[in-house]
Amino acid sequence: DGGITQSPKYLFRKEGQNVTLSCEQNLNHDAMYWYRQDPGQGLRLIYYSQIVNDFQKGDIAEGYSVSREKKESFPLTVTSAQKNPTAFYLCASRRDREITEAFFGQGTRLTVV
Amino acid sequence: GENVEQHPSTLSVQEGDSAVIKCTYSDSASNYFPWYKQELGKRPQLIIDIRSNVGEKKDQRIAVTLNKTAKHFSLHITETQPEDSAVYFCAASLYNFNKFYFGSGTKLNVKP
Repeated sequence: DGGITQSPKYLFRKEGQNVTLSCEQNLNHDAMYWYRQDPGQGLRLIYYSQIVNDFQKGDIAEGYSVSREKKESFPLTVTSAQKNPTAFYLCASRRDREITEAFFGQGTRLTVV
Repeated sequence: GENVEQHPSTLSVQEGDSAVIKCTYSDSASNYFPWYKQELGKRPQLIIDIRSNVGEKKDQRIAVTLNKTAKHFSLHITETQPEDSAVYFCAASLYNFNKFYFGSGTKLNVKP
């Protein structure tokens, strides 16, 4: 089902804690993305990576960090510096340097309690 | 950077009617325009896309039109069905594209 898997589906975090969201793909895609989705605001780009060991900030990177140690994996850490982390997080991947669609994971809903 | 605006934010139609969702973009260099459908609690999935060298593309009940001069593109759904009810997102990206820029989404409700 798309070959891109996010885990967990639901995540609860206490204020002040860091939490890491997992994203794995077996599509052999070069590019991977993290988006945040809030009601009525569409998809906002947090970070993206075009190649292993390289990543770039998106439009709302503050309070987030990522790594890209393997082509298949692009984990997102939501740090305590993120002031309003409760949201739906979507990971996506795409073959780079081609005009192709992005495939999305099923999303992780993060709630701060 | 690119700015994509999408209208309307909500759209309610009667089953069998047509629905049209419109998007505008700001960067004339954008050349790929996908449309995604997201059902409640699920991942966005591509339903149709268009490249800048094409003015219109159809796939059964779904069509997309692109006006490069005016920098806008539209999604047309004919003979709507209740299962078309979802949130639809437009997006734009450049050829050497690192990013997709998404619109804010349109919640389509098809009333039986």
